[in-house]
Amino acid sequence: DIQMTQSPSSLSASVGDRVTITCRASQNINRYLNWYQQKPGKAPKLLIYAASSLQSGVPSRFSGSGSGTDFTLTISSLQPEDFATYYCQQSSTTPRTFGQGTKVGIK
Amino acid sequence: EVQLVESGGGLVQPGGSLRLSCEVSGFTFRNNWMSWVRQAPGKGLEWVACIKEDGSEKYYVDSVKGRFTISRDNAKYSLYLQMNSLRAEDTAVYYCVREGQWLDAFDIWGQGTMVTVSS
Repeated sequence: DIQMTQSPSSLSASVGDRVTITCRASQNINRYLNWYQQKPGKAPKLLIYAASSLQSGVPSRFSGSGSGTDFTLTISSLQPEDFATYYCQQSSTTPRTFGQGTKVGIK
Repeated sequence: EVQLVESGGGLVQPGGSLRLSCEVSGFTFRNNWMSWVRQAPGKGLEWVACIKEDGSEKYYVDSVKGRFTISRDNAKYSLYLQMNSLRAEDTAVYYCVREGQWLDAFDIWGQGTMVTVSS
């Protein structure tokens, strides 16, 4: 199985900050990497697919990059509604696996 | 509007069974792979199982193989998860999830249904 490792596990940031979350796969997954946002008590929401493609309706302050084993999710200017937990997920093979999550909190 | 609505969750004793259902609307159900993803209380996301558009291929996470069965009825626009021999570690919110046709990503999620395995 492909292991997905996110860092950091949590971070504190202020509104307007640039935030970067990394995700590392245990083997090459090309660009089969997706990012999700989850708020408490809600279902996850797809933000980025295929490493860098923005899902319809997602603000352009979210961006993704990377290929192979190393990937990044960047929020260019953190907004109040962005405080949430973020998960990466590989879709290269089954079982589909998620990272452990990164909780973005308020500083 | 695209919607996935799960039902069937509840409290069940260890060793018991439960069948989850997911009613789909707003898109052509037979065109998409579908999955179940779960989340234990306070924990991260775990993919459980997926099924091909026509039901001919099914895949499971190792921890549920031989105990859970995913199925679908394209005529009824419904996805199912039969869960047998339930364990305490199966306690979680179970989400019905659509895999986008050209996205290789989970683009639509249901609201989730809670399964609690406890005596």
